[in-house]
Amino acid sequence: QVQLVQSGAEVKKPGASVRISCKASGYIFTSHNLHWVRQAPGQSLEWMGWIDTDNGNTEYSQKFQGRVAITRDTSASTAYMELSSLRSEDTAVYYCARARLVIPPNWFDPWGQGTLVTVSS
Amino acid sequence: QSALTQPRSVSESPGQSVTISCTGTSSDVGGYNHVSWYQQHPGKAPKLMIYDVSRRPSGVPDRFSGSKSGNTASLTISGLQTEDEADYYCSSYAGSYTFVLFGGGTKLTVL
Repeated sequence: QVQLVQSGAEVKKPGASVRISCKASGYIFTSHNLHWVRQAPGQSLEWMGWIDTDNGNTEYSQKFQGRVAITRDTSASTAYMELSSLRSEDTAVYYCARARLVIPPNWFDPWGQGTLVTVSS
Repeated sequence: QSALTQPRSVSESPGQSVTISCTGTSSDVGGYNHVSWYQQHPGKAPKLMIYDVSRRPSGVPDRFSGSKSGNTASLTISGLQTEDEADYYCSSYAGSYTFVLFGGGTKLTVL
């Protein structure tokens, strides 16, 4: 079955960076784009950016521009999201989610299980 | 750009119907037919329930339906069951600059 499996929870200090992986299985990796969405504790979902898994092109939310980088390794069917200059407000569960290759995205399915990132001194 | 507006909570009895609204602008909900809805149980990842305003993925019960009028999209759940109790989020494409917006989420209580 189509599945996205993310790396485990992380604890980081303010100013550090975090890199989360998202491994896809059950479908051809380059046939769908991957998006990243985060959810702060008790809060709503927030879209961060996406990667065209076929050509590696990326697009980011203006809010995270300059601090986020999404990459992929097609040989490993894995996408990565790196967020730098972490602050306490970045404490959240980070999700990857599959979307269609055609823009604009009209659905996100499935989602990874989520990765909790805690930023604390 | 602000998140899409949803009621914070709704409640209804088992077997009844409930409608959750999602209000945006002509730059997002009103401008595109790319509204989707997600169900999220506590501690779990979101699950796609509706896409393209009213289309249902395979496996989602036909008790779930979606619609849109102007800048407001709606999710209706009929024949409520206790397992429908969850948080529901709407999402919309919002153009090439903002790209994707989510709603603030609605907590559905089935009592």
